[in-house]
Amino acid sequence: GQQLNQSPQSMFIQEGEDVSMNCTSSSIFNTWLWYKQDPGEGPVLLIALYKAGELTSNGRLTAQFGITRKDSFLNISASIPSDVGIYFCAGRGGNGDPQETSGSRLTFGEGTQLTVNP
Amino acid sequence: GAGVSQSPSNKVTEKGKDVELRCDPISGHTALYWYRQRLGQGLEFLIYFQGNSAPDKSGLPSDRFSAERTGESVSTLTIQRTQQEDSAVYLCASSLRAGDGYTFGSGTRLTVV
Repeated sequence: GQQLNQSPQSMFIQEGEDVSMNCTSSSIFNTWLWYKQDPGEGPVLLIALYKAGELTSNGRLTAQFGITRKDSFLNISASIPSDVGIYFCAGRGGNGDPQETSGSRLTFGEGTQLTVNP
Repeated sequence: GAGVSQSPSNKVTEKGKDVELRCDPISGHTALYWYRQRLGQGLEFLIYFQGNSAPDKSGLPSDRFSAERTGESVSTLTIQRTQQEDSAVYLCASSLRAGDGYTFGSGTRLTVV
């Protein structure tokens, strides 16, 4: 099946620093999504990207859908302690995806564990 | 309800026993999904329900796993003859329509001892 490579696996930063994480795929996706998961909770959607080249912001978060449709990045500016958590990228649909017609199945990356030191 | 509700939140079971996990989606959401998350890993697709269409079961890892959903309401995920490798958090999500962003529940943490 499709694989998403997410990096880095973990990050340790100081409060106020900017953060960048990314996902790459061997095949294309039609939609890229970024989720954040707090301990003991399900992932929460942060940003959804629907068009190649799209750059979308949500407060201090900015994400881009790569032109090749095989990658996406998420930036967090001026990090704060509550940014701590695990960030997941997810892709939906695309070339060679057997679920293209249903279009709902998501493929998730392995996650980036973010730690912010006050 | 206001969010996706899953029960139980934690389940410890003996190897070989059957378990049943429950998901109450957001009212009106036609699409419902089950994912599995092993410790320190990403989410692994299990099964997807969309309205009255036949479910997409392509992610179920073995015939010990099954799931049901009645109409657009509650879903149950059943694991028969549990094995230690079944230990994971089982997450349910729903969306208003196929292709919309998901809302996840808090998951059921299953431990097989």
